[in-house]
Amino acid sequence: NAGVMQNPRHLVRRRGQEARLRCSPMKGHSHVYWYRQLPEEGLKFMVYLQKENIIDESGMPKERFSAEFPKEGPSILRIQQVVRGDSAAYFCASSYFGRDSNQPQHFGDGTRLSIL
Amino acid sequence: DAKTTQPPSMDCAEGRAANLPCNHSTISGNEYVYWYRQIHSQGPQYIIHGLKNNETNEMASLIITEDRKSSTLILPHATLRDTAVYYCIVRAILNAGGTSYGKLTFGQGTILTVHP
Repeated sequence: NAGVMQNPRHLVRRRGQEARLRCSPMKGHSHVYWYRQLPEEGLKFMVYLQKENIIDESGMPKERFSAEFPKEGPSILRIQQVVRGDSAAYFCASSYFGRDSNQPQHFGDGTRLSIL
Repeated sequence: DAKTTQPPSMDCAEGRAANLPCNHSTISGNEYVYWYRQIHSQGPQYIIHGLKNNETNEMASLIITEDRKSSTLILPHATLRDTAVYYCIVRAILNAGGTSYGKLTFGQGTILTVHP
């Protein structure tokens, strides 16, 4: 009965490199959300995806950031040409798809991205 | 999104009940109240949610006032492992892509410290 799995737990990149963060939702969950937590701040919504579709990306920076949730495999949050300000904890959450839109989101333990 | 107001910090003795208040005076009729907690370096953990009736599960109880403008999370017998930041969130129901969904807006929460 695995929960939301994120990897890697820690990722170090140099400025200008690419970062790829992976998220495997809970079994049976087809909704994925990504959140970012900057140091000493609360979590901020970035993007919401269903299988193969981005539904809401209103919280994601327009440049350098992209997200996908393919039919097979985990959801990927990709950050190109990383800068120091991208250093943060990135959390993925998943929820069950159903008529009840109030199904709770369950979170993984995050990826801590550090930019040198 | 309806805003929530929580005290920045609270203390509780181990074994006693912890009562965490939350004000959400601008809540709309179809918005649920969610509670999450975040223990240092982990992802947010779902605790409980409710609309207007009181709710109880194995972790906690949620008491919502009749006018729905405030709520209280109750941990009946707090332990040291309950020390965490507790977030009260009113989740907006959104519609896009032919589906209803909700994104969570995290505030600063309440830092609950349980002491021996």
